Amino acid sequence: GQNIDQPTEMTATEGAIVQINCTYQTSGFNGLFWYQQHAGEAPTFLSYNVLDGLEEKGRFSSFLSRSKGYSYLLLKELQMKDSASYLCALRGDSSYKLIFGSGTRLLVRP
Amino acid sequence: DVKVTQSSRYLVKRTGEKVFLECVQDMDHENMFWYRQDPGLGLRLIYFSYDVKMKEKGDIPEGYSVSREKKERFSLILESASTNQTSMYLCASSTGTGHNEQYFGPGTRLTVT
Repeated sequence: GQNIDQPTEMTATEGAIVQINCTYQTSGFNGLFWYQQHAGEAPTFLSYNVLDGLEEKGRFSSFLSRSKGYSYLLLKELQMKDSASYLCALRGDSSYKLIFGSGTRLLVRP
Repeated sequence: DVKVTQSSRYLVKRTGEKVFLECVQDMDHENMFWYRQDPGLGLRLIYFSYDVKMKEKGDIPEGYSVSREKKERFSLILESASTNQTSMYLCASSTGTGHNEQYFGPGTRLTVT
């Protein structure tokens, strides 16, 4: 089977850096995604990792270690608008389906 | 930009009613998905479709059916709505190529009373 774990809530300060971790167990692996979801809105795609290492996209970076079943999303220079839930999603054996974690609710304080 | 639209943002139905949730995407995507999202449980896949008239069960298909008669449209049907189907329903689509990331619609908050 597949299992994804991420912290339920995190709090950080405007201007700081925050790292949101995601650990997973899976028999097959075809990529790991991060999505952002503001309250009451649809999830939006942030990043995709299929090979080990760091992918950087502006203020957001995502890291993957397949051997450790571990990923993190790094948010730099936090802004108030970054307050949202961040969803880790795994594409395992299927080329279509994603398995989502429960999400990490990030609160950015002034 | 990819656009995924859903027929209603909010819906209130009575127990036992048949409910139709419609989803339309405008980017000629092969794959379409229906999820429900509940606090603490994350997004759970109900059904998905990888082609017209093709469908596969997701993780929680009980009490639901789907229809995909045209490529751009994917409907979720609650045959006889029950209170435990009160939830946020999200539709998504993906190309089937490249990263194959999913694009989500705005969601339908369904309340069954």
